[in-house]
Amino acid sequence: QSVLTQPPSVSGAPGQRVTISCTGSSSNIGAGYDVHWYQQFLGAAPKLLIYGNNNRPSGVPDRFSGSQSGTSGSLAITGLQAEDEADYYCQSYDISLSGVVFGGGTKVTVL
Amino acid sequence: QVQLQQWGAGLLKPSETLSLTCAVYGGSFTGYYWTWIRQPPGRGLEWLGQIMHSGTTNYNPSLKSRITISVDTSKNQFSLRVNSVTAADTAVYYCARLPLVDWNLDYWGQGILVTVAS
Repeated sequence: QSVLTQPPSVSGAPGQRVTISCTGSSSNIGAGYDVHWYQQFLGAAPKLLIYGNNNRPSGVPDRFSGSQSGTSGSLAITGLQAEDEADYYCQSYDISLSGVVFGGGTKVTVL
Repeated sequence: QVQLQQWGAGLLKPSETLSLTCAVYGGSFTGYYWTWIRQPPGRGLEWLGQIMHSGTTNYNPSLKSRITISVDTSKNQFSLRVNSVTAADTAVYYCARLPLVDWNLDYWGQGILVTVAS
């Protein structure tokens, strides 16, 4: 069982907006550690998509955005495209574990 | 341009020792935790542990008794050993860089599938 909680799957039609929640606790997100998001295609390593709650690395389209409040974070994809179909993982740091924690992953399906 | 390149044995028998190494090219070796993560087939990501250039380590409690992470600063490399493997250790193993300030995994190795089977 993952330390951070994500929905197993979300889906949407092309052009729609989808959001993925990531719920943590007072020992990770609630302790002030940022939420980060990764995109993973089948057979590939995860790629950093959003860092520091709401920042995009160079090259990441602006249809991807993040937010954080309290013990939770959220990833939004606006203007959903077929190429966005992938698995998405949230990640934070846990002060009790002194290590990285992940969500269980969310599969995004474009209908 | 930072690159992480990893290698090691991909097929093990139960009770053997898993051994992987990750080399870091480009960028500084200090100021980061160097991290190992694994992903069983069809499942999510699991943090295994991390090490600094100084040798300071943190391990996932679920594997702490079987895992050792070491560093060779002369070669900008770090390594993972997992003792007494079972089929449950079958996974893709990744190395990654964790900046101490941002706490995100900004660079990843290519991943190695390690299969444990008799």
